[in-house]
Amino acid sequence: GAGVSQSPSNKVTEKGKDVELRCDPISGHTALYWYRQSLGQGLEFLIYFQGNSAPDKSGLPSDRFSAERTGGSVSTLTIQRTQQEDSAVYLCASSLMGGSWETQYFGPGTRLLVL
Amino acid sequence: GESVGLHLPTLSVQEGDNSIINCAYSNSASDYFIWYKQESGKGPQFIIDIRSNMDKRQGQRVTVLLNKTVKHLSLQIAATQPGDSAVYFCAEPSNTGNQFYFGTGTSLTVIP
Repeated sequence: GAGVSQSPSNKVTEKGKDVELRCDPISGHTALYWYRQSLGQGLEFLIYFQGNSAPDKSGLPSDRFSAERTGGSVSTLTIQRTQQEDSAVYLCASSLMGGSWETQYFGPGTRLLVL
Repeated sequence: GESVGLHLPTLSVQEGDNSIINCAYSNSASDYFIWYKQESGKGPQFIIDIRSNMDKRQGQRVTVLLNKTVKHLSLQIAATQPGDSAVYFCAEPSNTGNQFYFGTGTSLTVIP
């Protein structure tokens, strides 16, 4: 079946511009996660959505970052007034129910470059 | 927060040899671990997982060993192939289960 999809696959933007990154989770998965991966680094947690519960935003690095999930499916990560340090790969993952014992399935990522 | 780390950042092996990738974790209460493989330009791909009530689990050409006494996890790849070249991450869930903690990864290079 279809996996997690993300768009765009690559995004180049100028410092100060806003960007929107999209994630389509696996159909039927209620949990959705956003991570950030800088070059040669591990994954940094950003935000977690589970069903209709309030999202866990504890990983968002600043108030320039926000995310929403409409209709319990598609999610959009927005970065306002982008900075060069925002350059990274932004990965989305989904799992069936969320929680400690569930495998997260990742999308291919969006590679963001802020000039 | 808890940390998950890798012993070696890079590993090179000859094609056909076995590979062992190690991982140390710090949260003794962790009860679930996952190994991911990430090829260049792609997202992490699930390889194998293990729960804390097990000390070994085998998949196709891969085996994960868990030593809870020393909080150590390893991934063994048998008969390593060029297609196994990638970065390998171990991951454990946070206490809330809202995220997984990933190490920085081990880069495996298979020499033909």
